Parts: sequence; C-alpha cells; structure tokens
Amino acid sequence: KNQVEQSPQSLIILEGKNCTLQCNYTVSPFSNLRWYKQDTGRGPVSLTIMTFSENTKSNGRYTATLDADTKQSSLHITASQLSDSASYICVVSVGGTYKYIFGTGTRLKVLA
Amino acid sequence: EAGVTQFPSHSVIEKGQTVTLRCDPISGHDNLYWYRRVMGKEIKFLLHFVKESKQDESGMPNNRFLAERTGGTYSTLKVQPAELEDSGVYFCASSPLGGQGLYEQYFGPGTRLTVT
Repeated sequence: KNQVEQSPQSLIILEGKNCTLQCNYTVSPFSNLRWYKQDTGRGPVSLTIMTFSENTKSNGRYTATLDADTKQSSLHITASQLSDSASYICVVSVGGTYKYIFGTGTRLKVLA
Repeated sequence: EAGVTQFPSHSVIEKGQTVTLRCDPISGHDNLYWYRRVMGKEIKFLLHFVKESKQDESGMPNNRFLAERTGGTYSTLKVQPAELEDSGVYFCASSPLGGQGLYEQYFGPGTRLTVT
C-alpha cells in the first residue's frame, strides 16, 4: 500500500532556531518527492521537488534531503521566522501517473 | 496570473442535502484534480480530469459524488445526498499537460464542507 508517514506530528520552536522534519515513504513506483507548505486557510504551496537521482535541494532557508535507498526525506528549516508557522506536508508522486500520495503533515509553530 | 480559485470557501449543510463545489483552474492548465482532507487525516486524491475527460476517478468514495468539467475549463463536484462523513476540506489543483508528475500541481485554498 502506498503510504507516506511524517514526524513529528507537531513542533514548537523559538524564532531563530533550526528544525528538521522527517518523512518516510513506501510508494512504488517512485517518481518524485515534494515538500509543501500549507498556511492556515490556504492551499499547499510547493517548496522543493526531488527526483530519484537528487539527494538535496534548497529553497532559501529550506533544505530538503532524499535517501532513495532508505526511502526517507527530511526538510531542514534554518533560522526560523514567525512566518514559518504552518503545516509542512511531504508528498510523493506515483511513477507514470499524476497521482500524489500525501503525508499527514507536521504542524510547526514558531514563537517569538 | 490568477491562481486556482474555489467557491464557496465554506459550506454548512444538513445531512441529506445537496452541495456543489466549484473550482476554476489556472488558465491553460488542462489537468485538474480534486482532493479531500477529512479531520485528522491526510489529503487524499479523489479524481483527475484531463481537459473535460475523467482520467482517473479511483479515489471517489461512492456514487453520491459527481464531478464534471464541461468544456474543459472549470469543474464542479456535487455531493448528493450529503452524509456526516463527507465533512472535510475539499481541495482543487491544476497543472499543465505533460511531464507526468514532474509538473507542480497548484492548489486552491479549499472549500470547507460541514455536514450537520
């Protein structure tokens, strides 16, 4: 069964601190993995995309890693800001299709 | 360029009633997707249109749900009759044709459906 699991479920950090979110997946065939940010009341917005051959991708203060052998990914947020408060969702595309498999997300709260 | 829009933003209906959700994709995007997130669960795929044709409707929960995309532009998702378990947030997304899953799907803000 295609599945994406994320941890932790929620996280609270102080502004300026770093944090790392985890994603494990069992999706076959694998096409690519995206991290999405979802602000409250809005739709998800893509932060990064990685294909099978890529093991790291950065977007400003966001850095995603992918280990295709262990089927794990992480999203590292550097020097967090209040605006980083949101849900972060790991999404894996099923190869040969347009289908997305979503994780349940990590709810991040950044405190001043 | 306008993003994906959805209407209404929130709908509250009674069990047994009918509700129609609307999605306007980004202009020129032939792929249109419907997703749903029920309380505490992950977002799940419902169906995928390519232009006006249903490419994959394997995620539709039952025949109370009917999606249409006449003319290949906007899409509607009708729930008739609504049940309590249909409550959740319904997202629409769109993407350009081609590239399989490599093209980003752009999401709308969602419609929050509450069935009482």
